[in-house]
Amino acid sequence: GQNIDQPTEMTATEGAIVQINCTYQTSGFNGLFWYQQHAGEAPTFLSYNVLDGLEEKGRFSSFLSRSKGYSYLLLKELQMKDSASYLCAVMDSNYQLIWGAGTKLIIKP
Amino acid sequence: DTAVSQTPKYLVTQMGNDKSIKCEQNLGHDTMYWYKQDSKKFLKIMFSYNNKELIINETVPNRFSPKSPDKAHLNLHINSLELGDSAVYFCASSQDLGLVETQYFGPGTRLLVL
Repeated sequence: GQNIDQPTEMTATEGAIVQINCTYQTSGFNGLFWYQQHAGEAPTFLSYNVLDGLEEKGRFSSFLSRSKGYSYLLLKELQMKDSASYLCAVMDSNYQLIWGAGTKLIIKP
Repeated sequence: DTAVSQTPKYLVTQMGNDKSIKCEQNLGHDTMYWYKQDSKKFLKIMFSYNNKELIINETVPNRFSPKSPDKAHLNLHINSLELGDSAVYFCASSQDLGLVETQYFGPGTRLLVL
């Protein structure tokens, strides 16, 4: 079966750095997405990785290792507004997005 | 200039009723989706529509029926609502299906069946 695993919840301090991990097992691979979802709101796109390596976009970076079925989202200089759930999703061979349950990130002052 | 919009935002109804949720996108996208997000926060694909044709139907009960009057709209009709249908329903759209495309989500419809 297809499976996306990520931690349920993480806590970090304002101004710090946090890494959210995601491991996946899917039938085929056409890229991995990270979405941010604030409580009560819709998911919004953060990043897309299809090749191995690190993609940097401002305070957020996303890393992919296809051989390990592993990705992480790195958030630097954390701000209170970064408190949200972060969803990992993999596009399988049928171009269907398979979603993880999300990691709830709590930022403390 | 909302990209993907849904109505209503909240829907409270009794078991056995029939209800509809509307979705519209003004992005000019060819593909639209319906997702169900349950209490455990998993997003589960229900339907995909590409150029008014149903592409994916993920073993959703036939009480759920998507209706697309044109490529900018994908409405979700639910018959004989059950308690387990309570969830947040998200509409989304992307430029195409079969390519790797970012999906843009609507604000969600919070359905509560009593």
